[in-house]
Amino acid sequence: GESVGLHLPTLSVQEGDNSIINCAYSNSASDYFIWYKQESGKGPQFIIDIRSNMDKRQGQRVTVLLNKTVKHLSLQIAATQPGDSAVYFCAETSTGANSKLTFGKGITLSVRP
Amino acid sequence: DGGITQSPKYLFRKEGQNVTLSCEQNLNHDAMYWYRQDPGQGLRLIYYSQIVNDFQKGDIAEGYSVSREKKESFPLTVTSAQKNPTAFYLCASSNWQGAGANVLTFGAGSRLTVL
Repeated sequence: GESVGLHLPTLSVQEGDNSIINCAYSNSASDYFIWYKQESGKGPQFIIDIRSNMDKRQGQRVTVLLNKTVKHLSLQIAATQPGDSAVYFCAETSTGANSKLTFGKGITLSVRP
Repeated sequence: DGGITQSPKYLFRKEGQNVTLSCEQNLNHDAMYWYRQDPGQGLRLIYYSQIVNDFQKGDIAEGYSVSREKKESFPLTVTSAQKNPTAFYLCASSNWQGAGANVLTFGAGSRLTVL
């Protein structure tokens, strides 16, 4: 069936380094993708989104890359800080009527001081 | 401040009891959602509502019930029929159409533990 998944369950990075979190999706009809960040004991927060007519979008210290050919999405965090430690989820949907978000399992980012 | 308020944050229930989780939003969003989160898993959709007095089953609706009598409120009842109710429950809201559709704003969650 269709699914959204993440390659690695955990990622440990040194403070100051760049982080790259990867996500694979299998629904070729998906045309809208979102990254969420969830800190411990809290609800997910929107980080950045991208539509399928783009292959790159930048925010503050974050960049999302979309490769539709291989159905791959990545979130890059520049100069990773301790406050970036969280679980990151990718989510996908199509923008058609009644479409709903499908979330991946999540990956834990741990920042070493 | 605009946002979503879930209560209670922690809830303990004995087997066989129904419990209701509250979700209130002041974002003037049309759509509201309930998700369940288990350790090591993504968010799974329980129920969602596009407009007042209307709601739809999500992927794991069995053992749950909802109501949408007001635009700002979407309570979730976890019934005794839910076989494994211990989980973290997240409420969310969004615009249903146009800009911002499908960009969900989440509450802080309610953790339910069945004793």
